[in-house]
Amino acid sequence: QVNLLQSGAALVKPGASVKLSCKASGYTFTDYYIHWVKQSHGKSLEWIGYINPNSGYTNYNEKFKSKATLTVDKSTNTAYMELSRLTSEDSATYYCTRQLYLRRFDYWGQGVMVTVSS
Amino acid sequence: EIVLTQSPTTMAASPGEKVTLTCRASSSVSYMHWYQQRSGTSPKLWIYETSKLASGVPNRFSGSGSGTSYSLTINSMETEDAATYYCQQGSSYPLTFGSGTKLEIK
Repeated sequence: QVNLLQSGAALVKPGASVKLSCKASGYTFTDYYIHWVKQSHGKSLEWIGYINPNSGYTNYNEKFKSKATLTVDKSTNTAYMELSRLTSEDSATYYCTRQLYLRRFDYWGQGVMVTVSS
Repeated sequence: EIVLTQSPTTMAASPGEKVTLTCRASSSVSYMHWYQQRSGTSPKLWIYETSKLASGVPNRFSGSGSGTSYSLTINSMETEDAATYYCQQGSSYPLTFGSGTKLEIK
């Protein structure tokens, strides 16, 4: 069965960076793009970008281009998102999700809450 | 960027009531996907390519629309349908989601 297992909640200081992980299982990791989505508390969903695990090609929402860096480790079937220069605006739940045809998302990680606080 | 506007923002429906949620796009899109999200959980794909039900979705749900106007309809509201529903367009980057409709049971 397909599963996307995300790393645990993170409490980080303003100005620091954090690297979130998303470990895929139950399917061929390199066959599907992985996307990342932000959900601020009680708010809607924002698309951050995606990575092609096979080629490493990335495509970012312009809004997150200087904030997020997407990578993968094919040997461990894990996708990563590093968020840099964190501020309180980055406090949110972040999801990884798998893309299907016509850019719909069929499986989602459980989400990881990032809290930026001194 | 294509902006998706959902209405209403919040609504309450009685069991058995017919419910229609709307999603309007700032530019024409070829299809719409819908997600259900219950409090504290990840979104779930609910309806894709405008009108196709995702696996396990009850057939009291349906989707329709074209161009800039799309809708999700529940034929007969049930308690378990209380959740927030988001539309999402995949026609162009950046991918965008609507602001959501929170559906409550009366």
